[in-house]
Amino acid sequence: GQNIDQPTEMTATEGAIVQINCTYQTSGFNGLFWYQQHAGEAPTFLSYNVLDGLEEKGRFSSFLSRSKGYSYLLLKELQMKDSASYLCAVRDAYNFNKFYFGSGTKLNVKP
Amino acid sequence: GAVVSQHPSWVICKSGTSVKIECRSLDFQATTMFWYRQFPKQSLMLMATSNEGSKATYEQGVEKDKFLINHASLTLSTLTVTSAHPEDSSFYICSASALPPAHTQYFGPGTRLTVL
Repeated sequence: GQNIDQPTEMTATEGAIVQINCTYQTSGFNGLFWYQQHAGEAPTFLSYNVLDGLEEKGRFSSFLSRSKGYSYLLLKELQMKDSASYLCAVRDAYNFNKFYFGSGTKLNVKP
Repeated sequence: GAVVSQHPSWVICKSGTSVKIECRSLDFQATTMFWYRQFPKQSLMLMATSNEGSKATYEQGVEKDKFLINHASLTLSTLTVTSAHPEDSSFYICSASALPPAHTQYFGPGTRLTVL
């Protein structure tokens, strides 16, 4: 089976840095994705890692360690609008179209 | 970026009626589209994979006769919830695969279905 774990909820202060972790145990792996989802809206794509290491995109960075089955999303200079759920998703190794989603981490940004 | 639209954005219907939800890729051709449902405070659950010109592939536990999927063109997939019941009330989201190399999925804005 597929198992993807994320913390349920986190709180951070505006202007700070926050790291959201994701661990996965899947029968196959072909990429890890992070999505942002505001309440009542569809997810939007944030980042993609397939090789080990850090991918940086502006205020957002994502890290992957395949040997450890571990990823994190790093958000810098937090803004109030970053309050949302962050979903970690692993793509199936044998079916490029199949994604397995974690239950999401709700991030609350406080002033 | 790739844009996916969904219509309607919300719908309220009576128990026993059928509801059709459309998913369109606006600026790219999507040979594959996906249908998810999401209950409050839970993650996305893949219902089915919709392939243009062929039958959809349903996930285990999803009734194909209840959730009819049609993918008639490279830009349009429809999900019809037949004989809807209150337990079908949920947030339904479609997505479409973009081109390589990332093969990421781009999501539509979702449809909130409430069955009375």
